[in-house]
Amino acid sequence: KNEVEQSPQNLTAQEGEFITINCSYSVGISALHWLQQHPGGGIVSLFMLSSGKKKHGRLIATINIQEKHSSLHITASHPRDSAVYICAVEGGGADGLTFGKGTHLIIQP
Amino acid sequence: DTGVSQDPRHKITKRGQNVTFRCDPISEHNRLYWYRQTLGQGPEFLTYFQNEAQLEKSRLLSDRFSAERPKGSFSTLEIQRTEQGDSAMYLCASRFQFETQYFGPGTRLLVL
Repeated sequence: KNEVEQSPQNLTAQEGEFITINCSYSVGISALHWLQQHPGGGIVSLFMLSSGKKKHGRLIATINIQEKHSSLHITASHPRDSAVYICAVEGGGADGLTFGKGTHLIIQP
Repeated sequence: DTGVSQDPRHKITKRGQNVTFRCDPISEHNRLYWYRQTLGQGPEFLTYFQNEAQLEKSRLLSDRFSAERPKGSFSTLEIQRTEQGDSAMYLCASRFQFETQYFGPGTRLLVL
């Protein structure tokens, strides 16, 4: 079974700061997902990646397959970025996604 | 709205009752997934369908849980003889093949 660890669990930062959330997993995968969940809300997929780097607006996701590690970066953070960010992996013998516990991000004005 | 929809959004039931949740995926998506999320935790995988075939159900939490997708379109998740420990958010997601998964808003279940 794949173990997915995220760090930090909680992060509070000031508006404009550069944010990094890390994710590591224990077993080889076919893809890694970064997801965003607002309080009481549904889950939105931000990125799905299997190698390299992807960028969408102020969000950047990278993955290092050899080291079994991924990072999600937010540049010029804004209070509306406040949410729970969840890393999830697929493959490695499992059919559905295996999720981390999430990183609770608060961006203060 | 052409996203994934779930019904009901909230359900309160008494212990021992049966409940059924419905998920309507995005129309061209052939794969449908059910997940459960308890407070403060990441979601956990329960089961999934490719078209009408249920390809994985060993992760269903007990034999009180069952799911169907009879015509390869909408899906239902039933919990029989509910217990207080079943209180959680039940999430549905769909995708086409191995592309991005799109999540529904979830059904929040409270068992009294």
